[in-house]
Amino acid sequence: AQTVTQSQPEMSVQEAETVTLSCTYDTSENNYYLFWYKQPPSRQMILVIRQEAYKQQNATENRFSVNFQKAAKSFSLKISDSQLGDTAMYFCAFISWTGNQFYFGTGTSLTVIP
Amino acid sequence: DAGVTQSPTHLIKTRGQQVTLRCSPISGHKSVSWYQQVLGQGPQFIFQYYEKEERGRGNFPDRFSARQFPNYSSELNVNALLLGDSALYLCASSLEGGLMNTEAFFGQGTRLTVV
Repeated sequence: AQTVTQSQPEMSVQEAETVTLSCTYDTSENNYYLFWYKQPPSRQMILVIRQEAYKQQNATENRFSVNFQKAAKSFSLKISDSQLGDTAMYFCAFISWTGNQFYFGTGTSLTVIP
Repeated sequence: DAGVTQSPTHLIKTRGQQVTLRCSPISGHKSVSWYQQVLGQGPQFIFQYYEKEERGRGNFPDRFSARQFPNYSSELNVNALLLGDSALYLCASSLEGGLMNTEAFFGQGTRLTVV
């Protein structure tokens, strides 16, 4: 069974600063994908970044980057130059190589303070 | 181009009633998945349909059922509603059933309240 754990229910960061959200997961599979999704008050889940487990290079998307530690089963999200629009729930998610469903963590509520 | 649309956006039902939620995927997408998001939790997988066939089912009771139509839209039905069914129900569409090589796009969800 796959499990995803986010141990930080709430976080805050000053505008323009950097923040890191943590995620750990448990799986017996070797090939899988990891994601960070953002859910603003509008409720729509928006893909932030994805990482293939077989790629050692950490994924980056503009101000968003990940620190993927496969052996430790850790997948943290770093947001640089935080903006007010980054305020949202952030969910870490996992899918297996052959999977058709996401396994989500419980989320981290991020507030960017002006 | 329209995104994933869900209807209704909100509804209130009484315990024991039945409810039908609807989802229209992005044009060209053949897969629709349903997730339940209870307040304070992450979304939990309910069903996936691809090319009108059920491709996956999560750990939900038989009161939950779904189907996909020839135009790839989908309905989620919940019978004999319980207070614990109160949640945000999210629909996601993708080009293919496997999510490794195709991005999933989510709708804004239907907020169901059971009283």
